[in-house]
Amino acid sequence: GENVEQHPSTLSVQEGDSAVIKCTYSDSASNYFPWYKQELGKGPQLIIDIRSNVGEKKDQRIAVTLNKTAKHFSLHITETQPEDSAVYFCAATYTSGTYKYIFGTGTRLKVLA
Amino acid sequence: DGGITQSPKYLFRKEGQNVTLSCEQNLNHDAMYWYRQDPGQGLRLIYYSQIVNDFQKGDIAEGYSVSREKKESFPLTVTSAQKNPTAFYLCASSRPGSAEAFFGQGTRLTVV
Repeated sequence: GENVEQHPSTLSVQEGDSAVIKCTYSDSASNYFPWYKQELGKGPQLIIDIRSNVGEKKDQRIAVTLNKTAKHFSLHITETQPEDSAVYFCAATYTSGTYKYIFGTGTRLKVLA
Repeated sequence: DGGITQSPKYLFRKEGQNVTLSCEQNLNHDAMYWYRQDPGQGLRLIYYSQIVNDFQKGDIAEGYSVSREKKESFPLTVTSAQKNPTAFYLCASSRPGSAEAFFGQGTRLTVV
C-alpha cells in the first residue's frame, strides 16, 4: 500500500546550523506534500507545503524541495533556532476527493544552544 | 477565533469501558478526520467524513466508531473492542477544494 518513509528519526544540530529532513513516498499519484511541526503535547501545525508542479518552495528560513522522478521531498531549515526544536512530519496525498494523508514517522529535531 | 477544539485534553478510563472523544470545529469545513498517534510512529487514519451523515473507515478503524450528525462535530468512540486504546488522538478538518488539514490540540487517552 501507500507508504511514506522519513529520515532521520532524530536530528541534533547546533544553533545556527542547517537541518535537513528527507521523505520518500510510494504512490506516484501523490501531488501534495505538506510538512507539519508538532510541539510537545500539541497538534501538528502546517509550516510549508509543495505541490507536484513545483520543484522548490521557500518561506523565510524554511524550504522544501521535491524530486518527482525519485519520489523524494525534503525539508530544509536554515539558521536553526532553539524554538525550531519539535517533531516534524512529512505527508503525501493526492488532491482528488477526500485528502487522505499518508504521514511519515516523524523526525525529532533538537537545536542545541 | 476559528479553530478545532478537542476535549478533554487528558482522559483516563478503565479497561473494558467505552469512551467518547469530542471534536468540534467552527471553520465551516466539510471534511473531518480522526488520527491516532503512537510514540515513534506517524499519524494513522482511523475514520474520516467528507460530509454530514457520511463517514468512511481509515486504515485502523477496528475498535472505533464515529458519527457525523452535524457539520461542526465529529465525535470518536473508543470501544472495548479496541485492543490497545492508550494513545494520543488527533482530530483534523479541511475545507472543500483544499488539501490543507487543520489539527486540534489532541486528546491523550490512557486506559488502565
